[in-house]
Amino acid sequence: GIQVEQSPPDLILQEGANSTLRCNFSDSVNNLQWFHQNPWGQLINLFYIPSGTKQNGRLSATTVATERYSLLYISSSQTTDSGVYFCAVVGYSSASKIIFGSGTRLSIRP
Amino acid sequence: NAGVTQTPKFQVLKTGQSMTLQCAQDMNHNSMYWYRQDPGMGLRLIYYSASEGTTDKGEVPNGYNVSRLNKREFSLRLESAAPSQTSVYFCASCPDFWTMNTEAFFGQGTRLTVV
Repeated sequence: GIQVEQSPPDLILQEGANSTLRCNFSDSVNNLQWFHQNPWGQLINLFYIPSGTKQNGRLSATTVATERYSLLYISSSQTTDSGVYFCAVVGYSSASKIIFGSGTRLSIRP
Repeated sequence: NAGVTQTPKFQVLKTGQSMTLQCAQDMNHNSMYWYRQDPGMGLRLIYYSASEGTTDKGEVPNGYNVSRLNKREFSLRLESAAPSQTSVYFCASCPDFWTMNTEAFFGQGTRLTVV
């Protein structure tokens, strides 16, 4: 099945810094989503982005489907950005299975 | 707008006991999913239902059964709970895997401890 790898696994930043999180996938995808899991365990939809670029406030994402990767950018980090960021994909050959990467744990220090 | 609702939110079981985790969505979605998340790890797919009347195994189906009761409800059953099934369980739904619009929405999770 499709493999999803996220990097870096852990990231510690000072408040105000910028960051880039990466998601690589091993096969062509129908869909790709970015989620933020907050410290209370809740999964929050950030972007639905099978291709192209989207922006929402301080967050933006780019997926280059032909090169099998997606990037999540966080600018001017705030402590509330802390948590785990997951990339999840649906592969062309995986029917409707949504497969998650192992996540990037982001810690923003005040 | 309840979205995806899971019950219960917390549960403690003894080894060998059985229980059913309930999930319901009110978004008229066709596809529903069950995941487990172990400490410090990502979500792993247990079972999914692409549409009402169908269910399929995911990455880690052993020890679980599912029922797609109707379009709204998808339950996960542990027949004989084991300590290795201690985890947080998430239910998710998405509109229709046949289209490009398959943005998935997740419930709040069920924290299960098997002692």
